[in-house]
Amino acid sequence: GQNIDQPTEMTATEGAIVQINCTYQTSGFNGLFWYQQHAGEAPTFLSYNVLDGLEEKGRFSSFLSRSKGYSYLLLKELQMKDSASYLCAVRAASGGSYIPTFGRGTSLIVHP
Amino acid sequence: NAGVTQTPKFRVLKTGQSMTLLCAQDMNHEYMYWYRQDPGMGLRLIHYSVGEGTTAKGEVPDGYNVSRLKKQNFLLGLESAAPSQTSVYFCASISSGTEGANTEAFFGQGTRLTVV
Repeated sequence: GQNIDQPTEMTATEGAIVQINCTYQTSGFNGLFWYQQHAGEAPTFLSYNVLDGLEEKGRFSSFLSRSKGYSYLLLKELQMKDSASYLCAVRAASGGSYIPTFGRGTSLIVHP
Repeated sequence: NAGVTQTPKFRVLKTGQSMTLLCAQDMNHEYMYWYRQDPGMGLRLIHYSVGEGTTAKGEVPDGYNVSRLKKQNFLLGLESAAPSQTSVYFCASISSGTEGANTEAFFGQGTRLTVV
C-alpha cells in the first residue's frame, strides 16, 4: 500500500512565501504530482516531479527527494486567489498500470 | 475541447435507490478512474480502468460497480444507495504515456451525491 502525509492546514500572509511538505512511502514509485483544488471545484494540475531536484514554474516550484520519500510545493508572492487545497499525489506502477494515490490535502488560507 | 465531463452534477437519492454516474472523455486516454472525496479524507480510489473492457478495484470498491464498454466512457453504478455513499465523486482520465512521462490527471467537475 501507500502512505502519503501532508499537513492539514496552513495559513500565510499575502505576498509571503509558503512551503507545503509531503512525505510518502510507496513501492513502484513513478512520479509525484501536485494539484490545486478550490472549494467546490475539481483538482487542477500544478506540477510534476519524477527525478530528484527542483522544478520551477512561475510562482510555483516543486521539489523531490526520492531517497527520503519527500516533496514540497513552494508558493511565492502569495495572492488571495492561492487560498485553496493542495493535493500531493504519488503515481506507482502496479501490474503494468499506473495508479495515482492522493494525500488528504493541505488547506492553505491566505490572509491580507 | 470538453476534456472530462461528468453527469449528473447533483443528485439526491433515497436509501436503496440505484443510479449510474457517467464519465466521458474526449482525449483518447487509456486510463480512467473514479474517486470519492469526503471532508478530511482526501480523494479515495473506488475503481479504475486501464483500457476498454477492463476494470479493477481500488481502495474503497464496496457498494459500487463500474463498466468501460467504450474507451471514452467510464460508468459508476450504485445498486442500492446508502447514506454512507453521500460524497462528491470525481472522475479522472490519464494518458498512458511512457514510463516516467508527465501524465497528469484531468478531472471532471464532480458529482455531488446525497443519499437520504
